[in-house]
Amino acid sequence: DAGVTQTPRHEVAEKGQTIILKCEPVSGHNDLFWYRQTKIQGLELLSYFRSKSLMEDGGAFKDRFKAEMLNSSFSTLKIQPTEPKDSAVYLCASSLHSGNTLYFGEGSRLIVV
Amino acid sequence: GDSVTQKQGQVTLSEDDFLFINCTYSTTTYPTLLWYVQYLGQGPQLLLKVTTANNKGISRGFEATYDKGTTSFHLQKASVQESDSAVYFCALVPGGNYKPTFGKGTSLVVHP
Repeated sequence: DAGVTQTPRHEVAEKGQTIILKCEPVSGHNDLFWYRQTKIQGLELLSYFRSKSLMEDGGAFKDRFKAEMLNSSFSTLKIQPTEPKDSAVYLCASSLHSGNTLYFGEGSRLIVV
Repeated sequence: GDSVTQKQGQVTLSEDDFLFINCTYSTTTYPTLLWYVQYLGQGPQLLLKVTTANNKGISRGFEATYDKGTTSFHLQKASVQESDSAVYFCALVPGGNYKPTFGKGTSLVVHP
């Protein structure tokens, strides 16, 4: 079985640009999460979907971050406009059901200059 | 709300040393407590899971224990290897809930 696939693996953006990160969850999984990872803050939840419905959108990240789940096998995270402080690794994870083990992708490393 | 505290930011050991990483948690439910490991360039992956039904979990030479009295859970390994160098995250899934709360991670560096 394929794991969680994230693209691109690396992205360099100029301040003010719009970037879109993509995620394909494990086939058959119902829950999908987007996290931002930095050394200082660790893993911060950006969005959580259950069966394609948005359950949580990460409060402080609402204004410039928008996650969508277009179908059960594809999700995007849009950052608009980007700022240098958005430089981080963005991780997508999926799980079969609520409370089950999360399977993470390898992440998309974003650098905003 | 639910929370997890993982204070050790970095641990540096030599091969064959003993590893001990501690997390404390706060929840009003009966949680499942987990340890994830993240190797360089990869996403985190589940290492161990401990529930209130079984106070201990063992995998790949690692052991996780849970102490309800002190609301803490630990990860330990008797003899670390250089290949164990990674970031270790503790996490809590509250009973009846759906999303984990993660600690900030402990970076383990093992020197040969």
